[in-house]
Amino acid sequence: EAQVTQNPRYLITVTGKKLTVTCSQNMNHEYMSWYRQDPGLGLRQIYYSMNVEVTDKGDVPEGYKVSRKEKRNFPLILESPSPNQTSLYFCASSSRTGWVYGYTFGSGTRLTVV
Amino acid sequence: AQSVTQLDSQVPVFEEAPVELRCNYSSSVSVYLFWYVQYPNQGLQLLLKYLSGSTLVKGINGFEAEFNKSQTSFHLRKPSVHISDTAEYFCAVSEVDSNYQLIWGAGTKLIIKP
Repeated sequence: EAQVTQNPRYLITVTGKKLTVTCSQNMNHEYMSWYRQDPGLGLRQIYYSMNVEVTDKGDVPEGYKVSRKEKRNFPLILESPSPNQTSLYFCASSSRTGWVYGYTFGSGTRLTVV
Repeated sequence: AQSVTQLDSQVPVFEEAPVELRCNYSSSVSVYLFWYVQYPNQGLQLLLKYLSGSTLVKGINGFEAEFNKSQTSFHLRKPSVHISDTAEYFCAVSEVDSNYQLIWGAGTKLIIKP
């Protein structure tokens, strides 16, 4: 089944403790992206990648890192999480030409930083 | 696209009644338009899209939307809603030459009253 898999689904952590949220897709998509979703703000893009070793900042990149060493994986790294990073995070992917037909989203990771 | 405005954060409607969710955007160039739906505790999925051609587009689950270039709007409609339509709906816009990037609205929660 074609899908984007995020792990974990839920995570509670403490301020300053480094964490990684994984994202993997099995569709050979070139494009991958991370969003955070907050009430009343919709989806805000954190980082995106157009292909292996190519990443770029979105609208809210501060406090986050990403890497794209393999086509299928696009992990989101929070080096020193803070409470304002408590949010619902989504990973999405699409093909180079198929993006107009819709992104494929993961099921989300609900992160709480205390 | 510079911005996307979803005028209503919540829309309560009785079951079997019609509904319209409003979306306006600002852009001076040609755009692609999308509606995504997020069911509770799930990721987003594409509901429908406008790329070109007929301004009335039909999507899944009986939804349709009309692109109005002069009003810069892309309102979503359904003639008769069901409890299963309870979800959050996001409008998104992409300028034709933007290469993958979407600008998202803040979302509208559709609340179905029995």
